[in-house]
Amino acid sequence: DAGVIQSPRHEVTEMGQEVTLRCKPISGHDYLFWYRQTMMRGLELLIYFNNNVPIDDSGMPEDRFSAKMPNASFSTLKIQPSEPRDSAVYFCASSDRGRSGANVLTFGAGSRLTVL
Amino acid sequence: GDSVTQMEGPVTLSEEAFLTINCTYTATGYPSLFWYVQYPGEGLQLLLKATKADDKGSNKGFEATYRKETTSFHLEKGSVQVSDSAVYFCALYNTNAGKSTFGDGTTLTVKP
Repeated sequence: DAGVIQSPRHEVTEMGQEVTLRCKPISGHDYLFWYRQTMMRGLELLIYFNNNVPIDDSGMPEDRFSAKMPNASFSTLKIQPSEPRDSAVYFCASSDRGRSGANVLTFGAGSRLTVL
Repeated sequence: GDSVTQMEGPVTLSEEAFLTINCTYTATGYPSLFWYVQYPGEGLQLLLKATKADDKGSNKGFEATYRKETTSFHLEKGSVQVSDSAVYFCALYNTNAGKSTFGDGTTLTVKP
């Protein structure tokens, strides 16, 4: 398996623009997580899905953020409109918690977002 | 709620030195415990795990023992290498909470 695949790896945009980050989880994994990493706040869980259904979105910072998982092999995190304080590395991770029980997360390489 | 407290960094060691990174946790029930490592420019990857009390996780010369009595999961390595330079995250997974909780990460730099 190629692992968790994220795109784009780097995104530079201007304040007010829409940003869409994409994630392909590992085939067979039934959980998908979106995290944000910054120097100031560390690693934050934004939202997670189980079998394509959002379970907990309490970490989504505000209404400008939205996430979808239309099928088992694809998820998006959208920011509209973007602001400079959204600059961070966004990670997608997946797991097969249902089978392993221990919730081992496999992370993608991350999408580094810079909002000017 | 659940929480994980890691030894503050950064930690700088010489090659072949002994490494300890402390990790303590607060959680209800019986969580699984993990150490993840993040190399520059990459995502986190699992280093080792332990799923019950007194279990020892080990990988690549790193070890950590699940100590329920002290609610700790300290990471150790007997002889670090330059290639071990990375950020190390302690984490727990609690079935009750339904999600993982991460520590703030500890940056390790190993100098030749």
